[in-house]
Amino acid sequence: SQQGEEDPQALSIQEGENATMNCSYKTSINNLQWYRQNSGRGLVHLILIRSNEREKHSGRLRVTLDTSKKSSSLLITASRAADTASYFCATDVGGSRLTFGEGTQLTVNP
Amino acid sequence: GAGVSQSPSNKVTEKGKDVELRCDPISGHTALYWYRQSLGQGLEFLIYFQGNSAPDKSGLPSDRFSAERTGGSVSTLTIQRTQQEDSAVYLCASSFARLNTEAFFGQGTRLTVV
Repeated sequence: SQQGEEDPQALSIQEGENATMNCSYKTSINNLQWYRQNSGRGLVHLILIRSNEREKHSGRLRVTLDTSKKSSSLLITASRAADTASYFCATDVGGSRLTFGEGTQLTVNP
Repeated sequence: GAGVSQSPSNKVTEKGKDVELRCDPISGHTALYWYRQSLGQGLEFLIYFQGNSAPDKSGLPSDRFSAERTGGSVSTLTIQRTQQEDSAVYLCASSFARLNTEAFFGQGTRLTVV
């Protein structure tokens, strides 16, 4: 199975609510990254958290990392309809690749 | 250019034909990745180039798939004798080849094999 696995697969919320997505992985990592994808095309990098960091913020985004549980969460606060997209976590274990999970499809209803 | 550029944006081809997909990475980025994404799925790693090192081809699904990167810049992914199961969005990304750096993605090529 994938190194990174997101949970839930799909999430539907109302505008203004918070959205939380989780990612679990299997092996030790250098860093974990979150990406956003609109309409099945190019991915946009959101945030990178290093293995020695526990929490990181960027605007309305908050990412946590628990290396003991091999898990990460992405929190989007005060969601907007424009946040509707697929969100992927990707793990960097060093070497040659970022390994992506299956993604969470977030729908924010106006 | 300002970002990763992929061409064509869309490609429809007949089963059995060969196709070439092009990726122009961000200038100065020595690392280049190809991924494949089927509808509603995650990203499947295909191949990775880093500078002059031998590429990591471990993700290529069959010997019908090949890729090259000329002059450390532009990359071409070639699929020979295309099959319907090759239909997907092919995504290219580039990055600086150093620890803890993000990847920048192109908009992808949507390949449809009919």
